[in-house]
Parts: sequence; C-alpha cells; structure tokens
Amino acid sequence: DAGVTQSPTHLIKTRGQHVTLRCSPISGHKSVSWYQQVLGQGPQFIFQYYEKEERGRGNFPDRFSARQFPNYSSELNVNALLLGDSALYLCASSSSVNYGYTFGSGTRLTVV
Amino acid sequence: GQSLEQPSEVTAVEGAIVQINCTYQTSGFYGLSWYQQHDGGAPTFLSYNGLDGLEETGRFSSFLSRSDSYGYLLLQELQMKDSASYFCAVRPSSGNTGKLIFGQGTTLQVKP
Repeated sequence: DAGVTQSPTHLIKTRGQHVTLRCSPISGHKSVSWYQQVLGQGPQFIFQYYEKEERGRGNFPDRFSARQFPNYSSELNVNALLLGDSALYLCASSSSVNYGYTFGSGTRLTVV
Repeated sequence: GQSLEQPSEVTAVEGAIVQINCTYQTSGFYGLSWYQQHDGGAPTFLSYNGLDGLEETGRFSSFLSRSDSYGYLLLQELQMKDSASYFCAVRPSSGNTGKLIFGQGTTLQVKP
C-alpha cells in the first residue's frame, strides 16, 4: 500500500507569492494534519481535518489555510510568503482523529 | 502552555546503549510518543506511553513518569542506521484533536 504522498517534494518561491502544497493520505484514512518543521526544530501543528471538517488549528497567521476534499486528500495554502515560511511541511494521516498518525516525507519549501 | 525539552545532541558508539530524555511542562496530555526522523524525511513512530512505566519494542524502550514530568527513550545495541533525530511528543488533553506538540529533537550520532 502507498504511504502518505506529498507533492511537490521541493519548491522554491519568491517573497509575496502564493503556494499550494498537496497531500494524499493512506487509503482509508479520513484524518489529515499539517505540520511545519523549521530546520533544527520539532514539527509545529498547523491544521487538522477529519471527514472534511477542520478539527484543530495551530498558532499560525491567517495567511495559512487548508481544506480537505471528498476523497480525503488535502491542500495547504500559504499566501504572501515570507522568508520565515521556509521549512519542511509535513502531512500526517490517520484513520482516527486522535492517534495512529503516519507522516509523509514532506515538501521542502524555500522562500527567496 | 505546553513545552517539551530534550538534549540537542547525543553521541554514542555502535553496540552501546543510549538514553534520550524528555522533560515536559504541560497542563494535561494523553500520552508520550517518540518519533525518529532521518535527514529531514518522514518522522516515523517508535513508541508510546499512555501510562507510567516502561514499554519495550525490540531494541527500543520508552519510559514515562507523570509524577516527575519526565520520560525517556532507550536504544540498545546501537547500529549506525540509528543515527537520526529523535522527537518526543504529547497530545494535549484539551480539545478533541489529534494535535501533537513536539520537542525540539535530539540528534543522535552513532560512531563506529
């Protein structure tokens, strides 16, 4: 079975631009969470979606938004990119709201 | 608020035993998890302590003491492939979400 798939794997954007990151969960998983991991730090929670509804939101500005589609895949959108948004963006999926998360390999975003 | 503290780096030799500590300050959580991450790839779940005590999974063991706000990951019979970053994480008991709060991570270097 395929694991959690994220695309693209790497991305370079310019300050002020917009970016969309995509995540396909493991088949049968209805929950998707997004994390930001800055180099040298632990992942920080951005959003969780379950059954297409937002279940949690971390301490990130409104420039960050996400959604989950009927097939349970998800998109993370970031507007007005800042240099500080450069990070590894991780997606994790689970069959449950609360446990059993499997992470994808992430999208490495560089803002220049 | 919640925070978890880990040593930033640990070095050990192949075949040895190493312990990675995690101390935390949190108002309440469901359990302590440990993840392994190689070179900024996908974090991989290693172990979970929902209750105080020791959990053993092959070469890896994890311990939790809620009264001491402390946990650790124990790696035995170290192998070169164990060189990676290790993160402790908790799921807060406030709010019905799968949000995980991660420590800053410990980089383990295994030497021959």
